[in-house]
Amino acid sequence: QQQVKQSPQSLIVQKGGISIINCAYENTAFDYFPWYQQFPGKGPALLIAIRPDVSEKKEGRFTISFNKSAKQFSLHIMDSQPGDSATYFCAASSMETSGSRLTFGEGTQLTVNP
Amino acid sequence: EAQVTQNPRYLITVTGKKLTVTCSQNMNHEYMSWYRQDPGLGLRQIYYSMNVEVTDKGDVPEGYKVSRKEKRNFPLILESPSPNQTSLYFCASTLDGLTKNIQYFGAGTRLSVL
Repeated sequence: QQQVKQSPQSLIVQKGGISIINCAYENTAFDYFPWYQQFPGKGPALLIAIRPDVSEKKEGRFTISFNKSAKQFSLHIMDSQPGDSATYFCAASSMETSGSRLTFGEGTQLTVNP
Repeated sequence: EAQVTQNPRYLITVTGKKLTVTCSQNMNHEYMSWYRQDPGLGLRQIYYSMNVEVTDKGDVPEGYKVSRKEKRNFPLILESPSPNQTSLYFCASTLDGLTKNIQYFGAGTRLSVL
């Protein structure tokens, strides 16, 4: 049972375009929503994270939008670059579970064509 | 350099032959976790540890064992590996659970069980 569902599974975008990856969660106790970026042959690395007390967080070209009522959050990559080509994972956790217990989505393989 | 080190990076073994994947972190982190990554399933937590001698099951613990005798080390043990444990494994560490600090991942161990 996947508590965090992520879509699409793969995404191809042209350089300069906007990449959008969506996630939906079921557990209303989740209170921390990070996105991780993984390059081939490497472990995932934290990209950006949001808490449910805000609806949007922006860091450079990366923005998380959060909709608490719909239990959905999304990652927007503006002006996508070939160097953004990677696998992206959304995740969620709650204070009720051990703080380091992250539940991950299925992953999205992003390809940005030059 | 702050890092999580896993060994080996690649491992091919046969069904039933016990193996250990080591994980070491040099950041004095309290929390450590093991994940497996499978296509279409994302990252799923196997076991986690909140401190020395304190471990608990994650979402997919069957067929795995862990130990935490020292703060820096968190080995993953497969007593009798089976082909369905063929996967990409990641170790991660976090400073502590309450503050939702960043999870630092190792580079991964690709295991094939024949």
